[in-house]
Amino acid sequence: DQQVKQNSPSLSVQEGRISILNCDYTNSMFDYFLWYKKYPAEGPTFLISISSIKDKNEDGRFTVFLNKSAKHLSLHIVPSQPGDSAVYFCAAREGGSEKLVFGKGTKLTVNP
Amino acid sequence: KAGVTQTPRYLIKTRGQQVTLSCSPISGHRSVSWYQQTPGQGLQFLFEYFSETQRNKGNFPGRFSGRQFSNSRSEMNVSTLELGDSALYLCASSPGGGGYYNEQFFGPGTRLTVL
Repeated sequence: DQQVKQNSPSLSVQEGRISILNCDYTNSMFDYFLWYKKYPAEGPTFLISISSIKDKNEDGRFTVFLNKSAKHLSLHIVPSQPGDSAVYFCAAREGGSEKLVFGKGTKLTVNP
Repeated sequence: KAGVTQTPRYLIKTRGQQVTLSCSPISGHRSVSWYQQTPGQGLQFLFEYFSETQRNKGNFPGRFSGRQFSNSRSEMNVSTLELGDSALYLCASSPGGGGYYNEQFFGPGTRLTVL
């Protein structure tokens, strides 16, 4: 049973445009959400996070939105750059636990 | 600060053997978690150690075990290797001291191939 789902395996956008990556979850006990970026043969790199008491968090070009009622979060990258091309993972955590539950990832390609 | 380091980076073993992977967390971090990444299953949580104690465990068979030393370095061991154990094994560290919103920082991983 997949508790964190990223339904789009891939996404292609033009440089300078907005990239929107989506993530849905089923476990209502999740209260902290993180986005990681991963290149092949490397470990995931932390990008941005949001707690369940917020609905938006921004860090430079990256913004994460959380809709608790819909159990949905999204990562917006504006403007997208070719260096953003990577696999993006959504992860969720429950009540102070260190255990992260990951989605299967979305491969983002930003075309010059 | 130096990041999370993992050794070795690549490993080739044959079925039935056992393997030990090592992880050194970021200085000052006391929590170390291990994950397995495979193409079919994605990133899956193996276990987490804090202050030399296993605090959390994922749904993996008992062939997968780990430990943490007093300096927070951690090792994981897989015994009686199976072909399906071929994966990227990732270690992540965090302060872990009860800070509710700690991020986990990952190492580069150990690529294990079982022949």
